[in-house]
Amino acid sequence: DGGITQSPKYLFRKEGQNVTLSCEQNLNHDAMYWYRQDPGQGLRLIYYSQIVNDFQKGDIAEGYSVSREKKESFPLTVTSAQKNPTAFYLCASSLISGGLYNEQFFGPGTRLTVL
Amino acid sequence: AQSVTQLDSQVPVFEEAPVELRCNYSSSVSVYLFWYVQYPNQGLQLLLKYLSGSTLVKGINGFEAEFNKSQTSFHLRKPSVHISDTAEYFCAVSSNFGNEKLTFGTGTRLTIIP
Repeated sequence: DGGITQSPKYLFRKEGQNVTLSCEQNLNHDAMYWYRQDPGQGLRLIYYSQIVNDFQKGDIAEGYSVSREKKESFPLTVTSAQKNPTAFYLCASSLISGGLYNEQFFGPGTRLTVL
Repeated sequence: AQSVTQLDSQVPVFEEAPVELRCNYSSSVSVYLFWYVQYPNQGLQLLLKYLSGSTLVKGINGFEAEFNKSQTSFHLRKPSVHISDTAEYFCAVSSNFGNEKLTFGTGTRLTIIP
């Protein structure tokens, strides 16, 4: 069964701790994305990566870091520098092919609560 | 730069009544347009998309949307809603330069009243 896996579904951390959210895809997609969702604000892009070992900042990258060591994996670390980390985090992936638009597929999300 | 406006944060509708969820966009270049649906505590699922061609696009679950370039709108419609349509709906835009980055609206919560 192909798809995107995010784990865990719920995550609790104490303030000041770094935490890493997992995102794995077996769709053989080139690009991967991390979004943050807050009530009434829609989804905002944190980071994206179009190729292994390369990634770009999105609109709200401050306080976050990512890595892309493997095509199928794109973990997101929420650092202690992120001032308001409690949110719902969504990972997505898509193919990249010249001249054509490719749909983004979304994972089930991880709800992070910082106490 | 591009942006999406969903003016209605919440829309209550009686079961079997029609519904329209409004979406307006702003962009200096040609765009692709999308509607996604999100059920509680789940990821997003693509309802429909406009890339080119006919301005009336049909999606899953009986939804359709019409691209209106002069009014920069992409409103979502369904002629008869069901309880199962209760969810949050997001409009999104992407420039058609082969960059798959999406800009989302703030969402509209559709509540179906039995």
